[in-house]
Amino acid sequence: DIQMTQSPSSLSASIGDRVTIICRASRSISNYINWFQQKPGKAPKLLIYSASSLQRGVPSRFSGSGSGTDFTLTVSSLQPEDFASYFCQQNYRTPWTFGQGTRVEIK
Amino acid sequence: QVQLQESGPGLVEPSGTLALTCTVSGGAISSRNFWSWVRQPPGKGLEWIGEIYHTGTTNYNPSLESRVSISVDKSKNQLSLKLTSVTAADTAVYFCARDWWGRVSECSGGECPDYWGQGTLVTVSS
Repeated sequence: DIQMTQSPSSLSASIGDRVTIICRASRSISNYINWFQQKPGKAPKLLIYSASSLQRGVPSRFSGSGSGTDFTLTVSSLQPEDFASYFCQQNYRTPWTFGQGTRVEIK
Repeated sequence: QVQLQESGPGLVEPSGTLALTCTVSGGAISSRNFWSWVRQPPGKGLEWIGEIYHTGTTNYNPSLESRVSISVDKSKNQLSLKLTSVTAADTAVYFCARDWWGRVSECSGGECPDYWGQGTLVTVSS
């Protein structure tokens, strides 16, 4: 299985802050990584696919980058609705695997 | 708009069988799509359980393969999950989802078919 190691596991930030979440794959996955946002009691919602492609309807303050084993999700200016958990997922090879998640909390 | 809705018992006894159904509306389950089950223990991360194609072809997570079965009922536009010999470690919210992850070509015009059910909590306890 491809392990996805996400960091940090949680962070505190203020409105307007720039936030970066890192995901590292246990082997090269090219650009086969997706990023999801999840709010309490809700299903995950796709933000970024193929490492850097913004899902339609997702605000442009979200961006993704990286290839191979190291990837980042960046929120350029944190908004109140962005306080949530974020997960990376590799879709290079089954079993599809997820990072353990990053909880973004209000400072 | 495709919608998915999970249903099934919220409580299962240890060593029993967990059985859930996902009803798909707004689209045919027999279209050329894969459908997945994903679970999330309370307060923890996401785990992919397995996927099924409308033809019945399945692909399971090796960690669960000996206990899991996924099937499709085209007449009801439903997919089903069965997990046998459950323990407390199987307590989780179970999601069904349209699975495009192995076929990024399904993403076009800047949009991937990202559809999930709302999830249903299954607790394993006596």
